Amino acid sequence: AQKITQTQPGMFVQEKEAVTLDCTYDTSDPSYGLFWYKQPSSGEMIFLIYQGSYDQQNATEGRYSLNFQKARKSANLVISASQLGDSAMYFCAMREGAAGGYQKVTFGTGTKLQVIP
Amino acid sequence: DAGITQSPRHKVTETGTPVTLRCHQTENHRYMYWYRQDPGHGLRLIHYSYGVKDTDKGEVSDGYSVSRSKTEDFLLTLESATSSQTSVYFCAISDLQGRVREQFFGPGTRLTVL
Repeated sequence: AQKITQTQPGMFVQEKEAVTLDCTYDTSDPSYGLFWYKQPSSGEMIFLIYQGSYDQQNATEGRYSLNFQKARKSANLVISASQLGDSAMYFCAMREGAAGGYQKVTFGTGTKLQVIP
Repeated sequence: DAGITQSPRHKVTETGTPVTLRCHQTENHRYMYWYRQDPGHGLRLIHYSYGVKDTDKGEVSDGYSVSRSKTEDFLLTLESATSSQTSVYFCAISDLQGRVREQFFGPGTRLTVL
């Protein structure tokens, strides 16, 4: 079974609108972390946001928020007020086990977001 | 930004030739990783290192070897490159200090095997 599933290969959003990128995960480890990375066309991997499995509140970083629904094993990324610079590939990833030390991280296949002016 | 560099950034080589990719960090992080990125697969772990001379295999290690003789350098070697190893290779680092949350990535190396 896939550990990280991103079901949306590509998405379009109008500039200034909000968009949700889906991510579901599968693990039996009670301690894990969930990440979102952005990869623009230039190719670098940019860390956006992190959610720990024991965190009580949804993570937020500026215009990015992570809609964490533990029982449903979903960790959707919400981008508010989309900007043209948000056009990129977005990867969801999961670390199994506690933070620190060696991090076994599994990545999803990515969602390509295109922001339309 | 974390100080991670990769060299070369681009390389074209022929099938059967050896290739070595270098990852250099200035953060003194303990853990280093090599991933490959291919369309439809996301990033997949090739090898990782948990200290000088300490390395282990990842998900897709066949055809690759690694070495780490210094904290700052992690080398990935393709002993005899094949066309299936055409990919973008990323190095990443992480450490124990503080609330370690994410891996920091290098800029990537685009390798083409003809």
